[in-house]
Amino acid sequence: DQQVKQNSPSLSVQEGRISILNCDYTNSMFDYFLWYKKYPAEGPTFLISISSIKDKNEDGRFTVFLNKSAKHLSLHIVPSQPGDSAVYFCAAIPLSSGSARQLTFGSGTQLTVLP
Amino acid sequence: EAQVTQNPRYLITVTGKKLTVTCSQNMNHEYMSWYRQDPGLGLRQIYYSMNVEVTDKGDVPEGYKVSRKEKRNFPLILESPSPNQTSLYFCASRQLDNEQFFGPGTRLTVL
Repeated sequence: DQQVKQNSPSLSVQEGRISILNCDYTNSMFDYFLWYKKYPAEGPTFLISISSIKDKNEDGRFTVFLNKSAKHLSLHIVPSQPGDSAVYFCAAIPLSSGSARQLTFGSGTQLTVLP
Repeated sequence: EAQVTQNPRYLITVTGKKLTVTCSQNMNHEYMSWYRQDPGLGLRQIYYSMNVEVTDKGDVPEGYKVSRKEKRNFPLILESPSPNQTSLYFCASRQLDNEQFFGPGTRLTVL
């Protein structure tokens, strides 16, 4: 059973508009969340993260929102650019993993930003 | 340049023929791990290593072996590959914080 779920395999957005990527989790022990971005033929690269003690973290055009009661987080990209077209993975780390800090990934969402 | 390298990038092999995918990082990271990416399943961890000579199973370790004889290298070994191990493999490393650096991936096809 997947503990981190990205229910939308794909999303298309017009350039300049907002992209909203969603992620749900089931393990209430997750206390740190990350988003990774992956281009074809490359490995995933870290984008932005959020600790469970916060409900929002912003970095330039990227903002991650965390709703702990709903076990839901989202990544907002404003404004969206064609170069943002990639697969986005949500990941979570449980407090219980100690120093290992194991990541559990979602299945990914392919974002396509149309010019 | 700080990076994680993997070799080979692409590999086609046949069932039962032992193979090794190498992974090396130049960031002096203690923690290294291997993932496989499959459609609809995201990235699943195969094995990880907290330091030299310390390795442990991830979520999908069956059919794989690893070793960590040196800090910078973490090879993935398939003793007897099978078609269900056809996948895209990523090596990753990090210090004991949260940002993980990934290699470029190895696409393996087992016929």
